Amino acid sequence: KNEVEQSPQNLTAQEGEFITINCSYSVGISALHWLQQHPGGGIVSLFMLSSGKKKHGRLIATINIQEKHSSLHITASHPRDSAVYICAARLIQGAQKLVFGQGTRLTINP
Amino acid sequence: NAGVMQNPRHLVRRRGQEARLRCSPMKGHSHVYWYRQLPEEGLKFMVYLQKENIIDESGMPKERFSAEFPKEGPSILRIQQVVRGDSAAYFCASSPRAARAQPQHFGDGTRLSIL
Repeated sequence: KNEVEQSPQNLTAQEGEFITINCSYSVGISALHWLQQHPGGGIVSLFMLSSGKKKHGRLIATINIQEKHSSLHITASHPRDSAVYICAARLIQGAQKLVFGQGTRLTINP
Repeated sequence: NAGVMQNPRHLVRRRGQEARLRCSPMKGHSHVYWYRQLPEEGLKFMVYLQKENIIDESGMPKERFSAEFPKEGPSILRIQQVVRGDSAAYFCASSPRAARAQPQHFGDGTRLSIL
């Protein structure tokens, strides 16, 4: 079992829909990252959070430390949101390295 | 204020050749992380370096791979005698200090193709 699990692996939705991507982890973490990767492109850091909730534009990230679970929400989704979304757990042990989920491939159709 | 710069963006090598991947961290960042993304797989940690020191290389293959971050110049990930299985995207990230409270900033990656 992976230390970081994401669901769903693939998600297709219509423009305007509310999107939720889930991430569960089984290790002790100091922070959790949400990253965005466009096909063939680089990686953009969206959020780093260790508790509660953060919001940036149409993106919202939440984390529940007790349940070892985080969610990324996208409101009023748009085709340009189509990308792979990756959650990454920063381990308490091991020099703060990141352990990544497999990614969620999001496609927003117009 | 340039971000993390990786070069080359694409690198093609034949089996048995050497590949050198470069990463210049953001200005003021002294901590560098290398990650590998194999085709159709997730990202995996390879190595964490500070200036002139390897802090954690637990994700590095035991043979053919090495990394350095000299006092001057970029961090280098070196792969000797490349094989087809080394084909992947290699990403570098940097942070200003030990990343406990700092986000890591990623480069655009180097896509390595082995013929």
